[in-house]
Amino acid sequence: KAGVTQTPRYLIKTRGQQVTLSCSPISGHRSVSWYQQTPGQGLQFLFEYFSETQRNKGNFPGRFSGRQFSNSRSEMNVSTLELGDSALYLCASSYGGGLNTEAFFGQGTRLTVV
Amino acid sequence: SQELEQSPQSLIVQEGKNLTINCTSSKTLYGLYWYKQKYGEGLIFLMMLQKGGEEKSHEKITAKLDEKKQQSSLHITASQPSHAGIYLCGADKRGNSGGSNYKLTFGKGTLLTVNP
Repeated sequence: KAGVTQTPRYLIKTRGQQVTLSCSPISGHRSVSWYQQTPGQGLQFLFEYFSETQRNKGNFPGRFSGRQFSNSRSEMNVSTLELGDSALYLCASSYGGGLNTEAFFGQGTRLTVV
Repeated sequence: SQELEQSPQSLIVQEGKNLTINCTSSKTLYGLYWYKQKYGEGLIFLMMLQKGGEEKSHEKITAKLDEKKQQSSLHITASQPSHAGIYLCGADKRGNSGGSNYKLTFGKGTLLTVNP
């Protein structure tokens, strides 16, 4: 069974640009969560989607948005990029996303904003 | 919010030695997850613990959740260089309605170095 696939693996963008990251969950998994990882803040929750609906959102500005498609694949978008958005963005896939559900992560997308 | 404290922050051991990493919360843990991460890469799922007193093992790694469900430990027996990496604990939080908040809160991680 294929794991969680994130594309692209690396991105370099300029301040002010926007970026779209993609996450394909494990087959059969319907929950996709997104996290931002930085050396200073560690892993922080961005949002979670299940059956195309956002069920929870972290404390990030509105420039960060996401969506999920009917095949459970998810995208996150960051508009008007800032230097501080440079981070490793990770998505996690799980069957239902609720309590006590095993969650598996992708390899991440390393975003560098210059 | 639920804070997870991991200790130690970093650990250097000689190959073959045993070690323990701790994860502590001031609130009850619902669904405690352990992951391993190589620098700059994704998180590798190790184990998930649900019940107080639960213990799980995989190869040379054992994780326990205490009876009060506020502390978990990860123990590695006879460490090897392949065990090196960052170990992260994460936990779900029960929402106001008693269900999930559908998000994991993570500790800052423990950096493990194993010297051959």
